[in-house]
Amino acid sequence: ETGVTQSPTHLIKTRGQQVTLRCSSQSGHNTVSWYQQALGQGPQFIFQYYREEENGRGNFPPRFSGLQFPNYSSELNVNALELDDSALYLCASSSGPGGGTDTQYFGPGTRLTVL
Amino acid sequence: GENVEQHPSTLSVQEGDSAVIKCTYSDSASNYFPWYKQELGKRPQLIIDIRSNVGEKKDQRIAVTLNKTAKHFSLHITETQPEDSAVYFCAAYWAAGNKLTFGGGTRVLVKP
Repeated sequence: ETGVTQSPTHLIKTRGQQVTLRCSSQSGHNTVSWYQQALGQGPQFIFQYYREEENGRGNFPPRFSGLQFPNYSSELNVNALELDDSALYLCASSSGPGGGTDTQYFGPGTRLTVL
Repeated sequence: GENVEQHPSTLSVQEGDSAVIKCTYSDSASNYFPWYKQELGKRPQLIIDIRSNVGEKKDQRIAVTLNKTAKHFSLHITETQPEDSAVYFCAAYWAAGNKLTFGGGTRVLVKP
């Protein structure tokens, strides 16, 4: 198992609410990427943070936002939740100068259900 | 746009046989192509990756081949075992946006 942890494990919210998901990167890693994995599909890239700055973003609306802290842990915030936001949210940490070519190690994910 | 297609979506093999999963990518992806294995209820785990300066890479029973001209890459698992049963994802990296794009996954079932 990797040293990447995520909290909470499961979360239930209602439409319109806001949610914050957390990720602790593996020791020595300075980059965190976030993915959304809908049931039966591959992970979809949301964004990446390197040394507290966003340095890459996928096709997700601005209501998906994030932060990275000096210890390289990260948060994913989703505002105005929609039913389609129900998914497994995965974070992955990596080391190096940032980018997608560094090996990414995934956390266990947070299962978000929006009712 | 960036797109990765993965085939087949499901694959059933007899224990000991080989399994092959193929992926194609659009446009000019960068030089990094990882493969992940995801068991039910667990996190994706990297099993092998390949960079564009090589055409093939092998790690015990797993091998990956890359054809950048044809824009496709494949995963080969030999001598399959029941513990190989899982969902496998290919991915390709695009430098624009630092984006790792995943295929839709292949559910592999190894029958004893």
